[in-house]
Order: sequence, then C-alpha cells, then structure tokens
Amino acid sequence: SQQGEEDPQALSIQEGENATMNCSYKTSINNLQWYRQNSGRGLVHLILIRSNEREKHSGRLRVTLDTSKKSSSLLITASRAADTASYFCATGKTGANNLFFGTGTRLTVIP
Amino acid sequence: EAGVAQSPRYKIIEKRQSVAFWCNPISGHATLYWYQQILGQGPKLLIQFQNNGVVDDSQLPKDRFSAERLKGVDSTLKIQPAKLEDSAVYLCASSLERTFYNEQFFGPGTRLTVL
Repeated sequence: SQQGEEDPQALSIQEGENATMNCSYKTSINNLQWYRQNSGRGLVHLILIRSNEREKHSGRLRVTLDTSKKSSSLLITASRAADTASYFCATGKTGANNLFFGTGTRLTVIP
Repeated sequence: EAGVAQSPRYKIIEKRQSVAFWCNPISGHATLYWYQQILGQGPKLLIQFQNNGVVDDSQLPKDRFSAERLKGVDSTLKIQPAKLEDSAVYLCASSLERTFYNEQFFGPGTRLTVL
C-alpha cells in the first residue's frame, strides 16, 4: 500500500492566490519529498525535507514537516496558471531506499 | 544534461500479448527505478536497481513482469502475458546513488493500454 495521502484530492484557485496541500503518512520516515506532475514535463522533483527539519523554502514553495503528527504541507504562494498540475508527496522510510508516493492533489489555477 | 529517456511513449496491445519498455537513465546515475502509475493514483515502485543488481523487487508481479539492467546502464521492463489491469503509465527514474535522501529524476513514461 502507498505511504502518503494528500488532502485535498482536488483544489481550484484563482491566479495570484496561495495554494496549500497536505500530506499524511503512517510510519517513520527519514525524508519527505514533493513532486509535481503535468502532461508537459512529467514528474518533477520540487523539494526535499529531512526528518530533522521543520520548514524549508524554495522560491514560491514552502514545505513544513511535523513528524509528531506524521504530516507535511506544501504551500505555493502567488500561484500562476503554469502551476496547474498534480502534486505528490513521497516519503523515504527509515530502513528503505525507495520512495512511497501518495495519491496526489490535483491543483487547477484559473487565469 | 540529458534526462531519462524512455521508449516507446505509447503502446497498445491485446491481453495475453507481450510488451517491453526501455529506459536509459541519466549518465552516471547508479540507481534506476521502474514505477507503475495507474490513472488517478501515485506511482508505485515495481523494482529498484543499484548498478546491475536488484535492490528491491518486492512489489513486482514476478509471474508476469521481469526487468533487467545489463551492464548497469540501460534497463528493460517486460510484461508477459499482459492483463487488462496492467494498463498504466510505466515510469523510469534514476538517481545518483542509493541513499536515503535521493532526489529521483523521471522519464516521460510509457503509456500502456491493454485491450
């Protein structure tokens, strides 16, 4: 079974607004990654946060990790139409060398 | 830097037929992954190679799926015989090494339709 679950399953916002997606997981991890997938560019790595980190920024992206709640959030600020895509969290489990992907959040940014 | 290459991009076959997918990872990447992504779901790992050795194939349906990575570079994934439920996108990814903190680089995928 897959490790992560994203919430919401789908999100529709106006261009310029912020988008927040959440990911919950079930077991201990040593890192959590967010990926974006659209038809034009396939699956692309966005950001990685280690289990000993609480927050990380990359451009318009902000990721938080709460290991006590086994959850993470991805915030995209000042969204653009080009941000329209599916967003997946993927967890690297302690003792495993591969990633477990969630079910994804489908984000639509309306121009 | 060239990305992960996959071929073919699309394949349509009838059930019980065989099919093979090819992947060429980023040069220098020791670790190669094959994922299956069913419509509406996230990718699911099928098999992971480190150079030409298998690291994890616990989710590979070995009665019909096989994969190899000769010489630790290119890889092929084969399905024989295919079932309707094998319809999915098959993604190949590579990473520099087998570490816990491994960013994976994905190819464009092969969309398989089994009729």
